[in-house]
Parts: sequence; structure tokens; C-alpha cells
Amino acid sequence: KQEVTQIPAALSVPEGENLVLNCSFTDSAIYNLQWFRQDPGKGLTSLLLIQSSQREQTSGRLNASLDKSSGRSTLYIAASQPGDSATYLCALSGSRLTFGEGTQLTVNP
Amino acid sequence: DGGITQSPKYLFRKEGQNVTLSCEQNLNHDAMYWYRQDPGQGLRLIYYSQIVNDFQKGDIAEGYSVSREKKESFPLTVTSAQKNPTAFYLCATSGTQKDEQFFGPGTRLTVL
Repeated sequence: KQEVTQIPAALSVPEGENLVLNCSFTDSAIYNLQWFRQDPGKGLTSLLLIQSSQREQTSGRLNASLDKSSGRSTLYIAASQPGDSATYLCALSGSRLTFGEGTQLTVNP
Repeated sequence: DGGITQSPKYLFRKEGQNVTLSCEQNLNHDAMYWYRQDPGQGLRLIYYSQIVNDFQKGDIAEGYSVSREKKESFPLTVTSAQKNPTAFYLCATSGTQKDEQFFGPGTRLTVL
């Protein structure tokens, strides 16, 4: 059974800092890995999708990497802004989508 | 305007009552999913459907039922058999099981 762990559970940083969110998983037999953002009381917004054959994807200030051999993915956020404050979840697609519990990010002005 | 709609946004139910949550999509996606989210926990899969008139149980299907009579719609019924139904319910779609998933805005169900 796939297990997904996100560390840290919560993170508070000053505005402008570059930061890395971590996601680790136990089963490398996946189709893809998605990073999502969730604002309080809202649904999930897809940020990046990395196919199993890919190593990384970039969108604006976000860069996500995937290393299946080590069972790890990272989400890099450059020049963080207060509007980046949200919970970030990673999810792996195998026979079904399995989610981590998320990292709650607060960016302080 | 393409997307996924869920209604209602907030729902209150008395114990012992069944209630149905709506999920509609106009993305022309074959696959649809229902998840439950509880505070401090990740999303858990309730039911999913890869194609019309077919659906499978997820990890926590007990006390829930679904139907998939149309490609655009995947309603979830929370029955009185569900012991702890208060939660945030999220509907998602994808083109296929291997594709990117997209989520609706969610329905918050509270049992009084």
C-alpha cells in the first residue's frame, strides 16, 4: 500500500524567502505525481503534474522535482509572497491517487 | 465556463437522515471521484467511477452510495449508516486514471 509523507507539517517564513516542501513515498510504481494548493475551506488547485518518466516541472515561481529511486519529490517556491500562504499537498497516482497530509505554509509580510 | 460544480456549499443534516451531494462537470472527463477530508488528515477516497454506469469502492465506502448514470454527474449519497459523516467532501475528475485530477469547490456537511 502506498504511503505518502509530507515534512514539515507546518512552515512559517518571511516574505521573499526561497523554500522547499518535501514529499516522500514508499511505492515507486506510479503514473504521476501532483502538487496541489488548498486555501482554507476551498477545494484543491492543481499546481504541477510530473509524469512518471519526467524529473521535474516548472510553472512560474514553482519547480517540482521527482526522484522515484529515492521515493522523494520536492516543491521549490522562489521568492515567497504572502499570497502563497496555503496548505500544499502532494498526491501520487498509482492504482488510485494517494495524498499526503499536507504542509501548511504561512508567508509573513 | 468549464469546470466542476458542487452543491450545496454547506449542508446540515439531522442524524438518521440520508443526504445527497451533487457533483457536475463539463470537462468531458471520463473519470470522477469522491473524497472526504477531515481536519488534520489527508484526503480519503470514498468512491470512483472510470466510466458511465460503472463505479468502484474506495478506501472508506461504508455508509455511502453513488450512481453514474450520466458522464457529467456523479452524486454521492451519505446514508444514515455512516457513523461520522461530518466532514468536507470533495469531488474530482480526470480524463483517465493516469491523468491530472481537477477538484470542485467542496461541500461541507454537518450533522446536527
